[in-house]
Amino acid sequence: ETGVTQTPRHLVMGMTNKKSLKCEQHLGHNAMYWYKQSAKKPLELMFVYSLEERVENNSVPSRFSPECPNSSHLFLHLHTLQPEDSALYLCASSQGGRGVSSYNEQFFGPGTRLTVL
Amino acid sequence: GDSVTQMEGPVTLSEEAFLTINCTYTATGYPSLFWYVQYPGEGLQLLLKATKADDKGSNKGFEATYRKETTSFHLEKGSVQVSDSAVYFCACRAGGTSYGKLTFGQGTILTVHP
Repeated sequence: ETGVTQTPRHLVMGMTNKKSLKCEQHLGHNAMYWYKQSAKKPLELMFVYSLEERVENNSVPSRFSPECPNSSHLFLHLHTLQPEDSALYLCASSQGGRGVSSYNEQFFGPGTRLTVL
Repeated sequence: GDSVTQMEGPVTLSEEAFLTINCTYTATGYPSLFWYVQYPGEGLQLLLKATKADDKGSNKGFEATYRKETTSFHLEKGSVQVSDSAVYFCACRAGGTSYGKLTFGQGTILTVHP
């Protein structure tokens, strides 16, 4: 496997279910991200992990719970979701660094298309 | 906070037409600027980038020039192909964090007809 992979690619769940999304990066990066992409809305950054520590949580409801057990893996645990949570969830990774030469290109996975019934 | 504004879509063109997708940004300091492309059923891919004023990013026939005086980073292509049909996102990365937080525009849907 190369790049950033996400599983499953499609997920349908009821509002009372518990499920998890998985992301794996094979690029040796030290930062990972979860984004939500809804129809007709800009990409919403949900969480950022840098060096396996959560460094950003953009007011995401607690029914979304991220986990980053190591620098290559990122999970998003889902619990009692709402229909409005249906969206494409994208994972990305980048190599963090400081300075003007560090442009931190983010590499994205293909996404998980989530439908909440 | 930082923000990115893209031209409203969708944009529909015939093959070999000229493409411009406008993008303006608001950010502190000297941000890096990016164009990402999303093909149907896929995640975002970096198309091109520029890290300082007057830089021109280019890839696959697409170009964009970092204009600090107008805070713009417009995407252009001289002759589009059907395979260019996708959603295009402009993004900026302001300095100050080690993990490279990106702010995205709302995306512009491009459809190219034969």
